[in-house]
Amino acid sequence: DQQVKQNSPSLSVQEGRISILNCDYTNSMFDYFLWYKKYPAEGPTFLISISSIKDKNEDGRFTVFLNKSAKHLSLHIVPSQPGDSAVYFCAASGWDAGKSTFGDGTTLTVKP
Amino acid sequence: DAGVIQSPRHEVTEMGQEVTLRCKPISGHDYLFWYRQTMMRGLELLIYFNNNVPIDDSGMPEDRFSAKMPNASFSTLKIQPSEPRDSAVYFCASSLSGLTPSWEQYFGPGTRLTVT
Repeated sequence: DQQVKQNSPSLSVQEGRISILNCDYTNSMFDYFLWYKKYPAEGPTFLISISSIKDKNEDGRFTVFLNKSAKHLSLHIVPSQPGDSAVYFCAASGWDAGKSTFGDGTTLTVKP
Repeated sequence: DAGVIQSPRHEVTEMGQEVTLRCKPISGHDYLFWYRQTMMRGLELLIYFNNNVPIDDSGMPEDRFSAKMPNASFSTLKIQPSEPRDSAVYFCASSLSGLTPSWEQYFGPGTRLTVT
């Protein structure tokens, strides 16, 4: 039973346009949702998070939206840059706050 | 801070051999996690520790896998005997409770294990 799902394995966008990465979850007990970015041969790095009591969190070019009723969140990157090309993981944490459940990742390619 | 340190970065071994992966978390962090990443199964949590105590090892695939955290600055993940299906990238991560409410984790660069 995969509690966090990223249904799009890959996404390709043009530089300067918007990138939208999606994530769905099944467990309504999750309290926080996080996005991580991963470059080849490196570990994932934390990007942005959102609490379950909010519906939007913004940090520079990155915005995460949460729709609790749909159990869906998305990461928007505007404008997209070639350096954003990486694998993006969605993760969720709940009552057992030390533990996060990760999605399978979406590979974003931003073309110059 | 140097971040999470993992060694070795690459390990190639033959089936049946013992493999030990090492991790040094960020100083002061009280949670430590071991993950495995494969194409088929994505990023799997194997085990995690809080204040050096194993909290949840339900992700450890079999008895061939064991993990220890003898002190706050060191952890090992051991596979004995190793099998070709253990080939993967193994990540160690650490976090600090109370640092932020979202519990973000800091990952090491990973160890790429190849079992032939």
